[in-house]
Amino acid sequence: GENVEQHPSTLSVQEGDSAVIKCTYSDSASNYFPWYKQELGKGPQLIIDIRSNVGEKKDQRIAVTLNKTAKHFSLHITETQPEDSAVYFCAAIPSGGYQKVTFGTGTKLQVIP
Amino acid sequence: NAGVTQTPKFRVLKTGQSMTLLCAQDMNHEYMYWYRQDPGMGLRLIHYSVGEGTTAKGEVPDGYNVSRLKKQNFLLGLESAAPSQTSVYFCASSSDLNTEAFFGQGTRLTVV
Repeated sequence: GENVEQHPSTLSVQEGDSAVIKCTYSDSASNYFPWYKQELGKGPQLIIDIRSNVGEKKDQRIAVTLNKTAKHFSLHITETQPEDSAVYFCAAIPSGGYQKVTFGTGTKLQVIP
Repeated sequence: NAGVTQTPKFRVLKTGQSMTLLCAQDMNHEYMYWYRQDPGMGLRLIHYSVGEGTTAKGEVPDGYNVSRLKKQNFLLGLESAAPSQTSVYFCASSSDLNTEAFFGQGTRLTVV
């Protein structure tokens, strides 16, 4: 089955700096890669996603890159703000959909004002 | 628009007791899922449903049962709770297999 490794498990950055979270996956059949943000006491919320036919996607301060050959994808947050502090999860999903999803173990991001 | 609503938000059970977690979505989604979230681990799929009246096992189904009698509701049951089922449970729904899944706020369950 799929195996998703996520690094780092914790990340502290100064406000205004950039943050990068990396995930690697093992199953080449995975073709959809969402990133979720989970704030304390809340459920995960999709912040950005990328499909296997795209190498990069941007949405304001957030970007995701995908390297299919190396089987890794990364979340980039620029100009971090205190409200970016949360746990971020990556996921890899094959064509079978969310019933075959594998989530990463999460990265706790702390943005220090 | 409420999205995905889970009931209850917190619950403490004694070993051997039973309970049902309710998930309701108002987005007319076909697909619904139950996950558990444990410290240091990613979300793991317990059971899922691809439409009203259907259910299927996920990665960690043992000790749980589910029902999807109505399209908008997905129930997760624990017949005889065990301490190993102490976890945070999340329900999610999606309109398609490979599109955004919307999550509820979670149910924190403690089994003592």
